[in-house]
Amino acid sequence: EDQVTQSPEALRLQEGESSSLNCSYTVSGLRGLFWYRQDPGKGPEFLFTLYSAGEEKEKERLKATLTKKESFLHITAPKPEDSATYLCAVQASQGAQKLVFGQGTRLTINP
Amino acid sequence: DTEVTQTPKHLVMGMTNKKSLKCEQHMGHRAMYWYKQKAKKPPELMFVYSYEKLSINESVPSRFSPECPNSSLLNLHLHALQPEDSALYLCASRDAGRNQPQHFGDGTRLSIL
Repeated sequence: EDQVTQSPEALRLQEGESSSLNCSYTVSGLRGLFWYRQDPGKGPEFLFTLYSAGEEKEKERLKATLTKKESFLHITAPKPEDSATYLCAVQASQGAQKLVFGQGTRLTINP
Repeated sequence: DTEVTQTPKHLVMGMTNKKSLKCEQHMGHRAMYWYKQKAKKPPELMFVYSYEKLSINESVPSRFSPECPNSSLLNLHLHALQPEDSALYLCASRDAGRNQPQHFGDGTRLSIL
């Protein structure tokens, strides 16, 4: 069964304090791993797609990396506006129309 | 603002009412999705339409009835809902190409009295 586990469940940082969020996955043939950001009362906002081990993508203060078993979302010098829930999801070769989501990491950046 | 538009943003209904949720996208995406999301949980897939045909129904109760009138529009018809159906209902769409991401609307917050 395809599974995605995110850690930590919640993370509080001071503004400027860099850290990483983890997404571990087991999937029967990875087609893609997706990172989303979700603000309260809003829908998930697409951030990155990663396809193969070793791939990296960057956007402003965020950098996503992928290995054969996990993905990291690195946040460099975060600002309060980076506070959100970050969701990781995988698309498997079997059942390619579906996304399997992790439980999310609730990130709070204190000024 | 997202490119997937959902209306209404909020809906309060009684258990005997009939109402509909609407989702629209003009990105030319040929796959459209309905999700249900409870507080502090990830989205939970309900239905998938591919090229306007229902391709996945995740054993959703029949009080939820999806409809895809055309490639840009997705409806979710609601009837005789239960209090536990109160949630954020999200619509998403995806391009037909391989490994394309799903793009979500901001959802309809549904409350069942």
